[in-house]
Amino acid sequence: EAGVTQFPSHSVIEKGQTVTLRCDPISGHDNLYWYRRVMGKEIKFLLHFVKESKQDESGMPNNRFLAERTGGTYSTLKVQPAELEDSGVYFCASSQVRRGELFFGEGSRLTVL
Amino acid sequence: QQQVKQSPQSLIVQKGGISIINCAYENTAFDYFPWYQQFPGKGPALLIAIRPDVSEKKEGRFTISFNKSAKQFSLHIMDSQPGDSATYFCAALRRGGGADGLTFGKGTHLIIQP
Repeated sequence: EAGVTQFPSHSVIEKGQTVTLRCDPISGHDNLYWYRRVMGKEIKFLLHFVKESKQDESGMPNNRFLAERTGGTYSTLKVQPAELEDSGVYFCASSQVRRGELFFGEGSRLTVL
Repeated sequence: QQQVKQSPQSLIVQKGGISIINCAYENTAFDYFPWYQQFPGKGPALLIAIRPDVSEKKEGRFTISFNKSAKQFSLHIMDSQPGDSATYFCAALRRGGGADGLTFGKGTHLIIQP
């Protein structure tokens, strides 16, 4: 069974540009989470979907970040316009039950120059 | 404000030794404490977890010790092996609905020397 997959694995963009990260959760997992780790810091929660609905988006830094989950399947996280401080590794995770074990993808490393 | 404080930042242990990583939390609403293991280029993976109604949980060579009154918990890796070299994150989850995001520590980079 395929795990959580994320694309791209690495993206380098210039300040002011737009980037869209994609996450495909494990099939059948209704819960999908986005997290971010900035270099040397802790992994921080961004938001949580249950199917297509945003359950908790308290961790989203600002309105430059937009997350969607079309039809309760894959999810995208768009950063527009990107700023230098947005650089980091963005992790997606999914779980079969709410508050259950999280299965993480390998992450998408974003570098904003 | 960092809600879960993890130490040390890095740790070198000889093969066969005991690796100990400590975490402390502030929010008494936390009721689930997992440890995640991350290898380079991979995502974090759940290693072991504990709830505050027990003081210790053991799975193979990995043990979590939990001190509710001190709001501290630690990971012990017995007979540490080179394959245990990875980054370890402690985390905590609040009880109750609506807040399902884990709060992570900053991570510990563990190196087991052969």
